[in-house]
Amino acid sequence: NAGVTQTPKFRVLKTGQSMTLLCAQDMNHEYMYWYRQDPGMGLRLIHYSVGEGTTAKGEVPDGYNVSRLKKQNFLLGLESAAPSQTSVYFCASSLYRGSGGAADTQYFGPGTRLTVL
Amino acid sequence: AQKITQTQPGMFVQEKEAVTLDCTYDTSDQSYGLFWYKQPSSGEMIFLIYQGSYDEQNATEGRYSLNFQKARKSANLVISASQLGDSAMYFCAMTQGSNYKLTFGKGTLLTVNP
Repeated sequence: NAGVTQTPKFRVLKTGQSMTLLCAQDMNHEYMYWYRQDPGMGLRLIHYSVGEGTTAKGEVPDGYNVSRLKKQNFLLGLESAAPSQTSVYFCASSLYRGSGGAADTQYFGPGTRLTVL
Repeated sequence: AQKITQTQPGMFVQEKEAVTLDCTYDTSDQSYGLFWYKQPSSGEMIFLIYQGSYDEQNATEGRYSLNFQKARKSANLVISASQLGDSAMYFCAMTQGSNYKLTFGKGTLLTVNP
């Protein structure tokens, strides 16, 4: 049981390049999330998914796209990277959401450190 | 709107002593969940403990316990018998009602001294 995994762990891009971050979970969780963590800003939600084939915008969605073609995978895409997207990206998943209960617990992947030059 | 406040940017504790990390929250919802996460220098976010708003007893997980005072809207994390490996950033977080959003505080950096 690997939990939540993310690939790659590190990446350096040039401005304007594109890339996809892959998140996979083996806990059969329905809900998946992408966050970015920046110094002084805490964790901010980019996009999330409430099930296979569904996605929705979070707090800071601009410049990112996501897809959830399979329940266990959640992809985050940067079509044209900008230096402002330099950050640490975390994927998370939860069994449920909005129940106010323990099933809302989000489990995080190890993160991807992205630098855009 | 939900809000989490962690007033201690940094804390120091001697090895084997107990430490309390403060967290207060603001919500108008009756149903909410409170979480603590640990982020060591290696960067991963590790779930530690959960407390539901309707739980009457304080949550405990090994050396971690959550001191839940509902009337004061506080959810302090207590780490007993601190270890050097406990040195990390600790985040308090909350979900409320039907809201998908996990709101984080700004974190407390804990340093355990030998």
